[in-house]
Amino acid sequence: DAGVTQSPTHLIKTRGQHVTLRCSPISGHKSVSWYQQVLGQGPQFIFQYYEKEERGRGNFPDRFSARQFPNYSSELNVNALLLGDSALYLCASSLGLAGTYNEQFFGPGTRLTVL
Amino acid sequence: AQRVTQPEKLLSVFKGAPVELKCNYSYSGSPELFWYVQYSRQRLQLLLRHISRESIKGFTADLNKGETSFHLKKPFAQEEDSAMYYCALSGVDYGQNFVFGPGTRLSVLP
Repeated sequence: DAGVTQSPTHLIKTRGQHVTLRCSPISGHKSVSWYQQVLGQGPQFIFQYYEKEERGRGNFPDRFSARQFPNYSSELNVNALLLGDSALYLCASSLGLAGTYNEQFFGPGTRLTVL
Repeated sequence: AQRVTQPEKLLSVFKGAPVELKCNYSYSGSPELFWYVQYSRQRLQLLLRHISRESIKGFTADLNKGETSFHLKKPFAQEEDSAMYYCALSGVDYGQNFVFGPGTRLSVLP
């Protein structure tokens, strides 16, 4: 198993555009979480999905949305991109809801640059 | 509100010296605390969690609810411990969200 995979690796967009980031969890994992990591800061929680339902949401505007598919892969969508959305977007998967009893495994991230 | 603070951005110690990476949190319910580590050119990974009270790679962390702290300690630092360390908090009271601190870069000098 290659672990959590994310695509694309890098992405350059302009302000106002829309972007879709993709994540494939480790086989057998049913939960996917998304994080935004701005340079020099820790990861900021955006969403957690478990069994295709949203189970956690961070303090992000409605321009951010996500979904989880029947095969447990996930997409993160960001509309009306702003310069401040430039960041590394991390995906993490876990067997169940991420927490003490379900370790999160992180992907390599997608580097988004908004010009 | 949930919040995690790590007061040191950078911590440099010599090989063999003790290490303490500080973490303080604010949370009104029953928190779950974690330490994550990111080695150079590797993915973010779990180091340890408070509930297991385990020692991983010689590191330990004790949850002190009175001081709302979860400091990470190692008695004798090794050069391979050089990495970015993040303290994180989770809890069901806020919809199973995770909150990460800003991170501390540990540099172990030869």
